[in-house]
Amino acid sequence: NAGVMQNPRHLVRRRGQEARLRCSPMKGHSHVYWYRQLPEEGLKFMVYLQKENIIDESGMPKERFSAEFPKEGPSILRIQQVVRGDSAAYFCASSPRDQETQYFGPGTRLLVL
Amino acid sequence: KNEVEQSPQNLTAQEGEFITINCSYSVGISALHWLQQHPGGGIVSLFMLSSGKKKHGRLIATINIQEKHSSLHITASHPRDSAVYICAVEEYGNKLVFGAGTILRVKS
Repeated sequence: NAGVMQNPRHLVRRRGQEARLRCSPMKGHSHVYWYRQLPEEGLKFMVYLQKENIIDESGMPKERFSAEFPKEGPSILRIQQVVRGDSAAYFCASSPRDQETQYFGPGTRLLVL
Repeated sequence: KNEVEQSPQNLTAQEGEFITINCSYSVGISALHWLQQHPGGGIVSLFMLSSGKKKHGRLIATINIQEKHSSLHITASHPRDSAVYICAVEEYGNKLVFGAGTILRVKS
């Protein structure tokens, strides 16, 4: 059973471009969480999704950021018109059910030039 | 004041020493997680607990719900234990709130 997979592992974008980060949860997991770790800072919750539903997006910036978890395929975190301050490590985690251990992916390190 | 406070921020130990990392929180929670992050690396979930004590190999985690405090212990520490250890609390609703982490370095 493969773990949580994220791709790309590293992503370089210029200011104004779009970044798409993908997360494939563990098999059988229908709950996905996205977290962001800014340089020299701790992890912060961004969004919690179940299949086809956003359950809690209280940690998402109001503009330029969106997330989805379609019925088929990976969860996508999309950042439009990236700025330098978006440079960070973005981690995805998944769990099989509500209030169960979350298993983390390896992260995507986004660098905005 | 942060909702999750960890101490110490930095910890250096000699190989073989017994290590304790503490976590205090100020909100009601449904569970507490201990995570391990290696430099430049991913995050591994060590424990999820809502009461009592759990043990896995040389790692032990305890939680006191009334005092809103948890400890992570490492027995017979080894240089490969060097990492950042992060406490995170799960508020009702699944989202995690993280402490700042404890940077542990175990010297041989």
